[in-house]
Amino acid sequence: GAGVSQSPSNKVTEKGKDVELRCDPISGHTALYWYRQSLGQGLEFLIYFQGNSAPDKSGLPSDRFSAERTGGSVSTLTIQRTQQEDSAVYLCAVNLGAKTQYFGPGTRLLVL
Amino acid sequence: AQRVTQPEKLLSVFKGAPVELKCNYSYSGSPELFWYVQYSRQRLQLLLRHISRESIKGFTADLNKGETSFHLKKPFAQEEDSAMYYCARSTGGGNKLTFGTGTQLKVEL
Repeated sequence: GAGVSQSPSNKVTEKGKDVELRCDPISGHTALYWYRQSLGQGLEFLIYFQGNSAPDKSGLPSDRFSAERTGGSVSTLTIQRTQQEDSAVYLCAVNLGAKTQYFGPGTRLLVL
Repeated sequence: AQRVTQPEKLLSVFKGAPVELKCNYSYSGSPELFWYVQYSRQRLQLLLRHISRESIKGFTADLNKGETSFHLKKPFAQEEDSAMYYCARSTGGGNKLTFGTGTQLKVEL
C-alpha cells in the first residue's frame, strides 16, 4: 500500500537560517512531488521527481529552494536563508497511479 | 496557464441540507479533475476523480465541459463532512496537481 512520512512534523527557525525537510515514501513510488500550503497562496506545486531526476522544478519560488532525491526513495527539500514568507506547511506526495496522489502529513515550518 | 477556481472560501449549511461546492477550470483539451479533502488535523486525501464517476461518502461530481465546471455535490450534508475541500486538475507530463484555493465546508446542527 501507499505510505509517506515526513520529518520533522514541525520546525521553528530563525530568519536567515537554512532548513532541511525530509520526505520518506515507502518503496515503489517512482514519482514524488513537493507542494506548499500557505495562507496567502493556497496549495502550490514546487517540484516533481521521476526517480532521482527532477524534470519539473517550475514551482520553486526562488534559488534559495532546492530539492534532491536519492535511491529513488527519500527526498529532501532545502530552504537556504529562510525568510518569514517561507512559513507554510510543506507537503510531499507520491503518485498512486491513475494520476492520483497520496499525501504525507506535512512539515509545518515557522520562520521567526 | 491552467487555472482552477473555487469561488467560495466558506460554505455553511445545516445538517441534512444539500451541498454544492463549486469548481471551474480553464479550458484546455481534456482535463483530468479531482476533489481532495482535508479533515481537521488529517492529511490531504483524495475524495474522488472524474474519470471513475464514482460516489464517495455520498459525494458526486460531474464534469461539465460546456460550463468548464466540476462541482461537488451531496444531497444531505452530515456533520462529519465539515472539512476543507480542494478541486484540482492534473497538468503537464509529470501530472502535477494545480489546486483551487479551497472551500471550507461547515455543517451546522
